[in-house]
Formats: sequence, C-alpha cells, structure tokens
Amino acid sequence: DTAVSQTPKYLVTQMGNDKSIKCEQNLGHDTMYWYKQDSKKFLKIMFSYNNKELIINETVPNRFSPKSPDKAHLNLHINSLELGDSAVYFCASSHNTVNYGYTFGSGTRLTVV
Amino acid sequence: TQLLEQSPQFLSIQEGENLTVYCNSSSVFSSLQWYRQEPGEGPVLLVTVVTGGEVKKLKRLTFQFGDARKDSSLHITAAQPGDTGLYLCAGDWTGANNLFFGTGTRLTVIP
Repeated sequence: DTAVSQTPKYLVTQMGNDKSIKCEQNLGHDTMYWYKQDSKKFLKIMFSYNNKELIINETVPNRFSPKSPDKAHLNLHINSLELGDSAVYFCASSHNTVNYGYTFGSGTRLTVV
Repeated sequence: TQLLEQSPQFLSIQEGENLTVYCNSSSVFSSLQWYRQEPGEGPVLLVTVVTGGEVKKLKRLTFQFGDARKDSSLHITAAQPGDTGLYLCAGDWTGANNLFFGTGTRLTVIP
C-alpha cells in the first residue's frame, strides 16, 4: 500500500479553470502538508493541517484552498488557474513532532496552458 | 522566510569518487533532515540530526550536524550511479510548525 498517495499524477488544464488535487495517507499521521516545487526544484510550504485545523497558511493566493474531510485526507482546490501556477505539488504527512520526518507523495505535475 | 543554502548546486562525478554536500543557514536549527529525491518522485527521508556535533552514518553516507546547529554536511564515499538524485536538506526552528527546505544539490554519478 502506498503510504501517501496523490491523484492525479499529471494535470494539464487551461487558464481560468478550477481543479482539485487529492491526497490520502494511511500512516496514521497527525499533520498533512502541501508543498509547491518550482522549476528550480525549490520546495515551498503552502499549507499544513493538524487534526483538521489549518495551522499554517503561507502567503499563497486565496485561489488556493485546502480541504480536509478527515485526518487521513488533505485535498487542494485551485480556482481560476494561472500560467504561474504550473509546478509540481507535493502532499506530505508527519507525526506531530516535525523531527520524525515527512513522508511525501509522488507529486502532481500541474501544467496550465 | 528562513533560507537554507546548499552547495554545490550541481555536482557531476565519476563512480567511485567521494563527495561532500553542504547546507548552511544563519539561523539555529532545532533539527535538520536530509532527503533524496529522484525524478518523478517525492523526497525520501535519509536521516534526522538533532544534537550539535552529531554524526550519523547510513552505509556509505555520513551526515554531520555543526556544533552550533547552523550547518550540516553530507559525505558520500565511493559514489555509485544509484546515488544520483536531488539531495535536499530541511530544517525546523523553535516554534516552527513545518520544515523549510534547502536550495538542493543535484548529484549525477557517471558509471
């Protein structure tokens, strides 16, 4: 079983569309995250959820909204997609204590045309 | 935003050579982690260090945490093509709720 699974793996869509990326973890972790990896491979935190509460919301556009129906799922919804949103988005999970390390999904490559 | 600088940015070496990758910050870490990422996959945790001066070994990989907990290094002995990938350091600071990642080192080991 995949520990952290994301769908879809690839997503190509036109500017202005709304899309969602799903993430599920079966590790029993308490916290889930969304990271954005740009073309230079830099990973930047977008959101994290702990026990269904948003505990970090970095300076990302409000077109991005995380939704967590339960502790095992953290979905990312994006409205009015822009060209600059093209990137690889990673979901990750961890125990409450950060220094246990993160388990990442395999990423979703989003291309906005 | 906390900044973790990694050097070198790119490294291409022959199989069997040794190499060292560095991760530096102006801030003191609570803990520091190293990850390896392969194309089309997410980063995979290699090690976590938490004590200043700590050294951990994972087969041919040696990780060291600086005494002041502001820097770290990753040394690979006798590199193999399977070591090829993007190496990322990541740190957290007191009160931080998430990891901040370094700028990355892309390693290519040529057979």
